[in-house]
Amino acid sequence: EAGVAQSPRYKIIEKRQSVAFWCNPISGHATLYWYQQILGQGPKLLIQFQNNGVVDDSQLPKDRFSAERLKGVDSTLKIQPAKLEDSAVYLCASSFRDPSTDTQYFGPGTRLTVL
Amino acid sequence: GDSVTQMEGPVTLSEEAFLTINCTYTATGYPSLFWYVQYPGEGLQLLLKATKADDKGSNKGFEATYRKETTSFHLEKGSVQVSDSAVYFCALKDAGNMLTFGGGTRLMVKP
Repeated sequence: EAGVAQSPRYKIIEKRQSVAFWCNPISGHATLYWYQQILGQGPKLLIQFQNNGVVDDSQLPKDRFSAERLKGVDSTLKIQPAKLEDSAVYLCASSFRDPSTDTQYFGPGTRLTVL
Repeated sequence: GDSVTQMEGPVTLSEEAFLTINCTYTATGYPSLFWYVQYPGEGLQLLLKATKADDKGSNKGFEATYRKETTSFHLEKGSVQVSDSAVYFCALKDAGNMLTFGGGTRLMVKP
């Protein structure tokens, strides 16, 4: 089966600009996650969706980050305006239905560089 | 809050050497424990997991045992190959189903 797709793979922007990342989860997966992975660190969860509803966004910097999953399939993560410290790899993951038991499958990530 | 601590890398080994990557955790309750692997240019992949104390997870020659008394989940492999070169992440999932990752350990295996 096809894996989690993300685009773009790389993005370079200047600070204060806006940027958006797209994720297409594995077909049939109800749960979708966005993670931020700063160089040399492990991934940190930003937001979790169950279908098109938000389950957990407690670590999402809501003054500049937003995410949506309008039809319960694809998702978009936006940063507006970007700061230097937002340079990181943004990972999307999905799981079938039950977050307590189902394996999370990760996409290849989008590497963001903010200059 | 929950946290995971891994040994810092890089770990450099010769082919067929024995591998141990240490992982300890802090959590309330009884988390599930995981090892993920990230090969160059690829996404994170689940390597193995254990859901309760004394469980042993294993896959592709790697194994790790959930040790509640020492709050550890060390990754081991008896004979590493060049193809095992990657970054390895230890993680836990708490009752709220959030994954918390360690900082990762880079393994480099030389022929």
